[in-house]
Amino acid sequence: DTEVTQTPKHLVMGMTNKKSLKCEQHMGHRAMYWYKQKAKKPPELMFVYSYEKLSINESVPSRFSPECPNSSLLNLHLHALQPEDSALYLCASSQVNSPYEQYFGPGTRLTVT
Amino acid sequence: AQKITQTQPGMFVQEKEAVTLDCTYDTSDPSYGLFWYKQPSSGEMIFLIYQGSYDQQNATEGRYSLNFQKARKSANLVISASQLGDSAMYFCAMRVMNTGANSKLTFGKGITLSVRP
Repeated sequence: DTEVTQTPKHLVMGMTNKKSLKCEQHMGHRAMYWYKQKAKKPPELMFVYSYEKLSINESVPSRFSPECPNSSLLNLHLHALQPEDSALYLCASSQVNSPYEQYFGPGTRLTVT
Repeated sequence: AQKITQTQPGMFVQEKEAVTLDCTYDTSDPSYGLFWYKQPSSGEMIFLIYQGSYDQQNATEGRYSLNFQKARKSANLVISASQLGDSAMYFCAMRVMNTGANSKLTFGKGITLSVRP
């Protein structure tokens, strides 16, 4: 089973709202990732968790707050977003040993109004 | 730093024919992995195939094969017997292996493939 699930599929939020994106995997992977993807562009890495600890933050604004409550779950908390934050948010997971191929979820399409 | 280059404009292929999607890369690290992903219009990134820098043979996965030419730093994806469902954007990606799962996956800008019936 190589399934990564993400909820919700679509999200529309105002700039003053607080919302959360959720990601779940049951492949026993101990590395999880958040990416942001604009239309017709490659994904951009935001955060990496390894063994439930934040290991990479790609200088992401603090209005994005990741959380990894356990080895299967990854959340992305959103607060005071800007319209330019509208994008597809992809979650991925991988093993922590080679070759580290990442398996992606279907993504959440976020629109900030 | 790692760099992936995908320069082909949108590609078109007739159903049941083979197509090659080009990818060149640049890195000074001797240990790296090369990946191809497919992204249909639905948005999900689907892992297709992996090639390690020390692998002696080209990787194959069903209808997908990777033409790995290390000296030329190219890792082209070959799709045989194209199907209508192969219409999607295809990304080549690379990561170095010396920092484990923490190393960054570097993507090319992608190639759009359209399969004609």
